[in-house]
Amino acid sequence: EIVMTQSPATLSVSPGERVTLSCRASQSVSSNLAWYQQKPGQAPRLLIYGTSTRATGIPARFSGSGSGTDFTLTISSLLSDDFAVYYCHQYDHWWTFGQGTKVEIK
Amino acid sequence: QVQMVQSGAEVKKPGASVRVSCKASGHTFTGYSVHWVRQAPGQGLEWMGWITPNSGATNFAQKFQGRLTLTRDTSIDTAYMELSRLTSDDTALYFCARISPTGWFGDYWGQGALVTVSS
Repeated sequence: EIVMTQSPATLSVSPGERVTLSCRASQSVSSNLAWYQQKPGQAPRLLIYGTSTRATGIPARFSGSGSGTDFTLTISSLLSDDFAVYYCHQYDHWWTFGQGTKVEIK
Repeated sequence: QVQMVQSGAEVKKPGASVRVSCKASGHTFTGYSVHWVRQAPGQGLEWMGWITPNSGATNFAQKFQGRLTLTRDTSIDTAYMELSRLTSDDTALYFCARISPTGWFGDYWGQGALVTVSS
């Protein structure tokens, strides 16, 4: 099983700040990496797939980068609606998810 | 538009089985695999398995082998997840997700079905 490790576990930020979330895979997943946003009681919402492609309707302030084992999700200027938990997800070999990074208000 | 609509919350006793449904609309049901993922209270996402509605082929995470059954009814565009021999550790929100046409990831997710296992 490919293990996905996200850091940090929690990020305390203020609206307007730039945010960088990290995700590392235990082995290469090529570019088969997605990011989801989840709010309490809701289903995950697809933000990024293929490492860097924004899903339909996702604003340009969300961007993804990386390859192989190291990946990053960047939110260029955080809005109040962006406070949530973010999960990275590899789909190169079956499915596994990171444990999540909670982005909370500072 | 594409939707995946799941059945409602369930309360089960330890040792029982639960079946959750996931009805697809807005796309050709048999054209896209469906994955199942669960989330225990306050925890992360855990992949369970997938089914290809066209053929009925399935694959499961090793953890659920022997306890998880995935089926589908193509006449009503619905996928089913059945988990047997429930314990309190199976208390979770269960999601279905449609596989995207552009990659093996989930693009449309059901709203989740809460399964509570309690004596």
